[in-house]
Amino acid sequence: AAGVIQSPRHLIKEKRETATLKCYPIPRHDTVYWYQQGPGQDPQFLISFYEKMQSDKGSIPDRFSAQQFSDYHSELNMSSLELGDSALYFCASSSSSGANVLTFGAGSRLTVL
Amino acid sequence: KQEVTQIPAALSVPEGENLVLNCSFTDSAIYNLQWFRQDPGKGLTSLLLIQSSQREQTSGRLNASLDKSSGRSTLYIAASQPGDSATYLCAAPFNSGGSNYKLTFGKGTLLTVNP
Repeated sequence: AAGVIQSPRHLIKEKRETATLKCYPIPRHDTVYWYQQGPGQDPQFLISFYEKMQSDKGSIPDRFSAQQFSDYHSELNMSSLELGDSALYFCASSSSSGANVLTFGAGSRLTVL
Repeated sequence: KQEVTQIPAALSVPEGENLVLNCSFTDSAIYNLQWFRQDPGKGLTSLLLIQSSQREQTSGRLNASLDKSSGRSTLYIAASQPGDSATYLCAAPFNSGGSNYKLTFGKGTLLTVNP
């Protein structure tokens, strides 16, 4: 069965650079979530989209932005990167017509040098 | 707001032992509860999902129970093996409005099974 696809799997950037992470949800899933997991931390909710509209916002810095496109894939854009942005970024998707079960991607590891 | 707490934070057991990981949540109006496994630096592997109408779910040597009234869930691992060593995360959904359910994670239990 198709899973949640995230790219790239690994990304290395310098401070003050910009990074973009992509997420392709499970087909027919209409909701996408982004989570950030710092070293030794539990995943923290950043932002979610339902039917291409932002549906909820968590602890996402103003330097970050995200959107969901017409094909339901989502991109997380991070600018003016800081060392503290180094983390695993997870995308998850779910269907509002289902049991609201979130399926997670394998994550994108961002390292800021 | 949903708060999830996991006890213990770390657990070390000899191979073959049965063990229980605990999870508590503050908002008992949950739709479901998930247990995840995470190996160091890796992704989240969903182990078990318990719907609010269920009291437990089993998968192989794993059994998860859910008691909504007390706001608790347990993950029971039978006959533990060194390959079970990982961090186990409990996650409960939080409905922040509409049809949107986001997961709130506990800080996890780091399990080490010694050969």
